[in-house]
Amino acid sequence: EDQVTQSPEALRLQEGESSSLNCSYTVSGLRGLFWYRQDPGKGPEFLFTLYSAGEEKEKERLKATLTKKESFLHITAPKPEDSATYLCAVQTGPDNTDKLIFGTGTRLQVFP
Amino acid sequence: DSGVTQTPKHLITATGQRVTLRCSPRSGDLSVYWYQQSLDQGLQFLIHYYNGEERAKGNILERFSAQQFPDLHSELNLSSLELGDSALYFCASSALAGAYSYNEQFFGPGTRLTVL
Repeated sequence: EDQVTQSPEALRLQEGESSSLNCSYTVSGLRGLFWYRQDPGKGPEFLFTLYSAGEEKEKERLKATLTKKESFLHITAPKPEDSATYLCAVQTGPDNTDKLIFGTGTRLQVFP
Repeated sequence: DSGVTQTPKHLITATGQRVTLRCSPRSGDLSVYWYQQSLDQGLQFLIHYYNGEERAKGNILERFSAQQFPDLHSELNLSSLELGDSALYFCASSALAGAYSYNEQFFGPGTRLTVL
């Protein structure tokens, strides 16, 4: 069964303290791995898509990387406004189903 | 703002009732997805429509149904509501569908359903 596991469940950082969030996956065939940010009571906001091992993408203080078994979301010098839940999701093959299978997320709090 | 709209924002109803949630995808997107987010289950895929046709079903209860109309908006119908149906319901849209398309899904703001 396809599975996505995120760690840690929660992370508290001081402003400026860099860290990484982990997303490990066990799937039948990875078509794409997606990172989303979700603020309380809001819809997930798309951040990145990664398609193949070795791929990296960056956006402001965030950098996402992908290996054959896991993805990391690196947060460099975070600010309080980066506080949110970060969700990882996968799209799998070979049945061409486009559904996203989500992990349970990492709740990030950044303190000034 | 993702460009996906959902109405209503909040819905409070009683057990046994029926409700309809509405979603308008981003301009030009042909695919609409419905997801349920509850505290204990996280985000769970319910159903996917592409250009008016059902393409895939997930863990959707028989009491729930959906459709996508010719103007591409979608409705999720929930009937015989139970307390456990209380959750956030999200709609997402993407441009296309299938294994050979870039398929980023963009989510709406959600409808919070409370069943009393």
